[in-house]
Amino acid sequence: KAGVTQTPRYLIKTRGQQVTLSCSPISGHRSVSWYQQTPGQGLQFLFEYFSETQRNKGNFPGRFSGRQFSNSRSEMNVSTLELGDSALYLCASGLGPIKTGELFFGEGSRLTVL
Amino acid sequence: QKEVEQNSGPLSVPEGAIASLNCTYSDRGSQSFFWYRQYSGKSPELIMSIYSNGDKEDGRFTAQLNKASQYVSLLIRDSQPSDSATYLCAVPHSGGGADGLTFGKGTHLIIQP
Repeated sequence: KAGVTQTPRYLIKTRGQQVTLSCSPISGHRSVSWYQQTPGQGLQFLFEYFSETQRNKGNFPGRFSGRQFSNSRSEMNVSTLELGDSALYLCASGLGPIKTGELFFGEGSRLTVL
Repeated sequence: QKEVEQNSGPLSVPEGAIASLNCTYSDRGSQSFFWYRQYSGKSPELIMSIYSNGDKEDGRFTAQLNKASQYVSLLIRDSQPSDSATYLCAVPHSGGGADGLTFGKGTHLIIQP
């Protein structure tokens, strides 16, 4: 059974650019959530999607957005990149909403903003 | 702002001893609690979940929950060097909105051979 797949794994952008990250959940999983991980702030919740609906959004500026498609694949977008957006972005999938059980994480997309 | 607090460590424990990891949370409405393990350079993986007050055992791991004290802990018995990792406490919060899921910053555990 394939795990959670995130692409790209590594990317370098410059300030002001935008980036789109992709996440393919485990087959049959309907929940996808996104997290930003930095050494200083740890793992911070960005969004949760379930059956194409955004259920929750973390305390991030509007430059961070996401969506989920009918096949449960999800994308997140960060516009007008800032240096502080450099981080590991993790996606996790689950059978149900994040309150209900186990999350399976992908390997992450490491974003460097120069 | 919902908070989950953990001692960042490092927590150093001799091989074979019991490692005790603690977590406190601020949302009294929280109903489920999770412990994730993250090895350096890897993604988090779930090791324990607990929903009711008391203890829950799974192999060498025991999760303990006290909702009145808003406290959840993880005990690792017979600690092995392979248990060396960062342990993250995760609490899905009630009410939705901006509180979806909060992770503590993690406790870095080192098992000394």
